[in-house]
Amino acid sequence: DTGVSQDPRHKITKRGQNVTFRCDPISEHNRLYWYRQTLGQGPEFLTYFQNEAQLEKSRLLSDRFSAERPKGSFSTLEIQRTEQGDSAMYLCASSSPVGPLGTGELFFGEGSRLTVL
Amino acid sequence: QQPVQSPQAVILREGEDAVINCSSSKALYSVHWYRQKHGEAPVFLMILLKGGEQKGHEKISASFNEKKQQSSLYLTASQLSYSGTYFCGTGPSSNTGKLIFGQGTTLQVKP
Repeated sequence: DTGVSQDPRHKITKRGQNVTFRCDPISEHNRLYWYRQTLGQGPEFLTYFQNEAQLEKSRLLSDRFSAERPKGSFSTLEIQRTEQGDSAMYLCASSSPVGPLGTGELFFGEGSRLTVL
Repeated sequence: QQPVQSPQAVILREGEDAVINCSSSKALYSVHWYRQKHGEAPVFLMILLKGGEQKGHEKISASFNEKKQQSSLYLTASQLSYSGTYFCGTGPSSNTGKLIFGQGTTLQVKP
């Protein structure tokens, strides 16, 4: 078990460009989450998947953000026409199958840091 | 609705105790606690469920008052390794995986 891995770890882009982040969860986890974190703030919920189904998406998220999880394994988060306000750490997390515990403990990846110039 | 944590920051000496509080304006099904060290990912500490079930760290305890929609994290006999930022995450029901995090409480433990 290698944990949750994210790629790339760092991305610098110019305003208006598109960027894509990839997350590989822990293999037996069926839930996968995307969060955004800026300096001094808690992780902000973006969206989550159960298997390949995207079950919820934050209303704060504009249409420029899209996430997929084909075949219920890895996930990608794409940001189109990036803006300077998109600069943040994008965290991916996965959790073990949902049972009587409801939302299981989240295992976070190291994150993908985005800088928009 | 983002839960509110208090205090925002705490400075302790090794061996001292601390309490971090987390309050929500909405009914809760679960409360999670995580610790994040600078430049690292958040790490799970504790989960508390409506009804009293808990799962988590051996040396850290927490409470969950369902009626008051509050949780508290108790750090006793603090160690240098306890330094970091603590986040509570609240889940509104057992049927959703959505977890909303508070703004964090920064804890610094000094020798």
